[in-house]
Amino acid sequence: AQSVTQPDIHITVSEGASLELRCNYSYGATPYLFWYVQSPGQGLQLLLKYFSGDTLVQGIKGFEAEFKRSQSSFNLRKPSVHWSDAAEYFCAVGAHLMSSYKLIFGSGTRLLVRP
Amino acid sequence: GAVVSQHPSWVICKSGTSVKIECRSLDFQATTMFWYRQFPKQSLMLMATSNEGSKATYEQGVEKDKFLINHASLTLSTLTVTSAHPEDSSFYICSARDLGPAGSFDTGELFFGEGSRLTVL
Repeated sequence: AQSVTQPDIHITVSEGASLELRCNYSYGATPYLFWYVQSPGQGLQLLLKYFSGDTLVQGIKGFEAEFKRSQSSFNLRKPSVHWSDAAEYFCAVGAHLMSSYKLIFGSGTRLLVRP
Repeated sequence: GAVVSQHPSWVICKSGTSVKIECRSLDFQATTMFWYRQFPKQSLMLMATSNEGSKATYEQGVEKDKFLINHASLTLSTLTVTSAHPEDSSFYICSARDLGPAGSFDTGELFFGEGSRLTVL
């Protein structure tokens, strides 16, 4: 079955420190992969996406992610975290299932930023 | 990018009443829209896939008669929570897929509305 795992429920980093949020997926074919960010009470904002080509993807707000097929991973990284990055981050996989398309979300990782 | 709008952004209703939430694609046609539900501090759970001109496809465990979905046009899908109860209180988010013009590359991206927070008293 298709699934997305975000093993870290929450992560705390100091402002200016680097960040890596983990994401592993289970899907039989090459997936569409996404990272979204959600501030409290708000909708989702797309940070970046992977669907083909270069496995290192650049997104908005200085984020990047690398697709590693051998590890079934799509980890999100940022070299220097800002206080405004504190939010909930969701990894998602887009999968074609029985002639329909679904976007399946991981459980999310809450990022806390220490001043 | 494509824009999806939801209305209302928040609604409070009495137990036993029905509430309708609208999801509109503003600058593209969406043959398929998706409705998600999010409980506090939890992830988004797909409730159903809304198909223009046909019946919605519901995920396992989602009550069809409780959550009525109508997708009557290429730019509008509605979710009606019937006979709402406090346990239906949640954040409901819709999304739509913009396939673009014929022959364009599909990135699989969904565009999300701002969400609708339902509180049932």
